[in-house]
Amino acid sequence: DTEVTQTPKHLVMGMTNKKSLKCEQHMGHRAMYWYKQKAKKPPELMFVYSYEKLSINESVPSRFSPECPNSSLLNLHLHALQPEDSALYLCASSQIPVLRGFGNTIYFGEGSWLTVV
Amino acid sequence: GENVEQHPSTLSVQEGDSAVIKCTYSDSASNYFPWYKQELGKGPQLIIDIRSNVGEKKDQRIAVTLNKTAKHFSLHITETQPEDSAVYFCAASPKTGGYQKVTFGIGTKLQVIP
Repeated sequence: DTEVTQTPKHLVMGMTNKKSLKCEQHMGHRAMYWYKQKAKKPPELMFVYSYEKLSINESVPSRFSPECPNSSLLNLHLHALQPEDSALYLCASSQIPVLRGFGNTIYFGEGSWLTVV
Repeated sequence: GENVEQHPSTLSVQEGDSAVIKCTYSDSASNYFPWYKQELGKGPQLIIDIRSNVGEKKDQRIAVTLNKTAKHFSLHITETQPEDSAVYFCAASPKTGGYQKVTFGIGTKLQVIP
């Protein structure tokens, strides 16, 4: 079982709605991620938070707004989405890699299925 | 940047047979190679990983091999079972600071036929 918990599992929203996706981890990881996954594709990185600060934004449209209230929680606020934003949104976490060390495992949640109508 | 190629994209095997998925990477700075299994409707789950200072790692029916010189790594599943049916992603990660960067392959859909 994954130790990264995401809610809701399914979300249907209209193009004018505002909704949020939530993620929680209790593994003590200080890096947290949002990925987007379309059908039959690998996960695609959207945002990275390191020590609760946004460190990577992969040119994501402003209708997606991430937030990291504390070291265990990660939110993704959604507003004025388009039908093409329908996808599986994955939250993930990892330890911060040690410089000159080996890479660390990224642990994924089960995802939130988003449908924009 | 890193580029990970994975093949085959689909693989069908009879129950009890072995399955092999192969990946290549381009960045010699990559030193960590996880494999994820994604079942329908679920998030990717780590099944095995290997670091660049090791050539092979085994966990029950699953093994991974790494050839650093050729920049190849492979997943081997023996005695396949229907519950092994899923999409498998290989990935490559460099040593970085600040966050864990990872590049995924395109995925292999494995079907185990009972």
